[in-house]
Amino acid sequence: QSVLTQPPSVSGAPGQRVTISCTGTSSNIGAGYDVHWYQQLPGTAPKLLIYGNNNRPSGVPDRFSGSKSGTSASLAITGLQAEDEADYYCQSFDSRLSGSLFGGGTKLAVL
Amino acid sequence: QVQLQESGPGLMKPSETLFLTCTVSGGSISTYYWSWIRQAPGKGLEWIGDMYDSGTTNYKSSLKSRVTISLDTPKNQFSLKLTSVTAGDTAVYYCARGTVGGAMGHWGQGTLVTVSS
Repeated sequence: QSVLTQPPSVSGAPGQRVTISCTGTSSNIGAGYDVHWYQQLPGTAPKLLIYGNNNRPSGVPDRFSGSKSGTSASLAITGLQAEDEADYYCQSFDSRLSGSLFGGGTKLAVL
Repeated sequence: QVQLQESGPGLMKPSETLFLTCTVSGGSISTYYWSWIRQAPGKGLEWIGDMYDSGTTNYKSSLKSRVTISLDTPKNQFSLKLTSVTAGDTAVYYCARGTVGGAMGHWGQGTLVTVSS
């Protein structure tokens, strides 16, 4: 079980909005460390989607947004598209573990 | 555009030592954080460790006794050494470039390492 907890799966219909949560503790997200989000399409390497809690790298559509509050963070996807079907991972730093860590991942299904 | 490419043995036997190399093109290896991440079949991402400032390393605590990450600046490469591998080390291994704060903006395509007798 990961220190950063994500729901195993979420789903939504095309055009809808979905959110993916990432719940941490006082030694990682709650300690003020940034949260980053990655999208992993089947059979490919992860791709950085959101960095520094709520920033999008160049080329990432503004349908994707991130937020952070307390010991949790969220990824929101609006205007859901079939191509968004992928695994999504949050990542942060943990002072107790003295290293980075990933959430367990969330599989997004577009119905 | 920065590109990373992993290279490694593919198939190994238990107790052997794994050596993986990540070749970086389109940018210098003398700055940024350089990380190794792995993903066991059907599982999530697992951070292994990283190196920055050409010497400072961080390793996942459960792997610390078996892992070494090093930089070869003249070759623009960095490497992962993992000793005493077991079937539990079977995974796709990725190298990645990160920044202060930890976001990994550039990844290699990954290389599958299978440990089997």
